[in-house]
Amino acid sequence: NAGVMQNPRHLVRRRGQEARLRCSPMKGHSHVYWYRQLPEEGLKFMVYLQKENIIDESGMPKERFSAEFPKEGPSILRIQQVVRGDSAAYFCASSPGQGGRETQYFGPGTRLLVL
Amino acid sequence: TQLLEQSPQFLSIQEGENLTVYCNSSSVFSSLQWYRQEPGEGPVLLVTVVTGGEVKKLKRLTFQFGDARKDSSLHITAAQPGDTGLYLCAGFPNTGNQFYFGTGTSLTVIP
Repeated sequence: NAGVMQNPRHLVRRRGQEARLRCSPMKGHSHVYWYRQLPEEGLKFMVYLQKENIIDESGMPKERFSAEFPKEGPSILRIQQVVRGDSAAYFCASSPGQGGRETQYFGPGTRLLVL
Repeated sequence: TQLLEQSPQFLSIQEGENLTVYCNSSSVFSSLQWYRQEPGEGPVLLVTVVTGGEVKKLKRLTFQFGDARKDSSLHITAAQPGDTGLYLCAGFPNTGNQFYFGTGTSLTVIP
């Protein structure tokens, strides 16, 4: 069973460019979560999605950040007009979506560096 | 302010020593999970504790959930260099549906 896949593993962008981070959940999982880990800080929740629905985006900045989980294909976290403060590790997790507060399984992360 | 505070933040010990990491909150949690994260990788789930007072063992690791479900501890016996990593507690508080991570404990085991 393949685990949660994220790509790219490393992404370098210049200020003002767009960053697209992709996440393929574990097979059979229909819920996806995105987290951000800043240097010297813990993991912070950003957004929780089911297929074609955003369930909770309370941790995501209102501007420049968006997330989607289409019916087909991976979940995408999109950051427009990146700034240096966006440099961080972004982790995706997935859960089966069978109800309740489920265990989350994490991907290896995408390390974003904004120059 | 963090919902889950871990202590110590950093720990460096010799191989063979024992250690305990603490995870504390003023909120009640329906369950708590412990993860280990190695550099350049994502968190890997170690255990989930659900019942107040519960104790779970995973080889040399012993996990305990406080009676009031507000705290948890991780005890490692005879630490080995392979135990080196960032240990994170995490969970769902009783109210709300957001998953919170602790501040983390960075463990280094010196051969």
